[in-house]
Amino acid sequence: GNSVTQMEGPVTLSEEAFLTINCTYTATGYPSLFWYVQYPGEGLQLLLKATKADDKGSNKGFEATYRKETTSFHLEKGSVQVSDSAVYFCALRVTYKYIFGTGTRLKVLA
Amino acid sequence: EAEVAQSPRYKITEKSQAVAFWCDPISGHATLYWYRQILGQGPELLVQFQDESVVDDSQLPKDRFSAERLKGVDSTLKIQPAELGDSAMYLCASSLDGDQPQHFGDGTRLSIL
Repeated sequence: GNSVTQMEGPVTLSEEAFLTINCTYTATGYPSLFWYVQYPGEGLQLLLKATKADDKGSNKGFEATYRKETTSFHLEKGSVQVSDSAVYFCALRVTYKYIFGTGTRLKVLA
Repeated sequence: EAEVAQSPRYKITEKSQAVAFWCDPISGHATLYWYRQILGQGPELLVQFQDESVVDDSQLPKDRFSAERLKGVDSTLKIQPAELGDSAMYLCASSLDGDQPQHFGDGTRLSIL
């Protein structure tokens, strides 16, 4: 079946540190891949997406590359800020259905 | 940017009572999704509409949950009777169609006593 596996959190970093949140997936067919961010008390916001192998999604300094050979879509940011503290969800879409990972909480300390 | 509107933001009720949530998607969005998000987990799809038609309700507990989108615009999700395990965040999302990114509302947090 289709599934998404994310690294467990929380991830705690100092401001300006490098961020990696790992995400791997299992899917039949050719999924599109997404990262969503959820701030406390709010719904999810689309952060970035990639629709085919080797595509790189990027937004607000975050990047992720669709790696078909390793079935991965790891999220990276070169220098995190306190305002990046949130929960990050990796997701896939296949045949118009979304599957979400369990989320990774990021805490950035000043 | 227009938002997906959900109400109420919070709902506290006793088990065995009925509860209803409302969602107004972004204007023009044909696809509407209801998700349940248990604390510490990712959203799980309950039901997906394309206009007024249900296209996926395979994970909806149909003995107690119902959803409708009669005119293909706003939607209501109902639980009757509510159980303790229904405590969760209920999220609504919409997209232009099933192939476009989703936009989420802020959700309704349900607590069952």
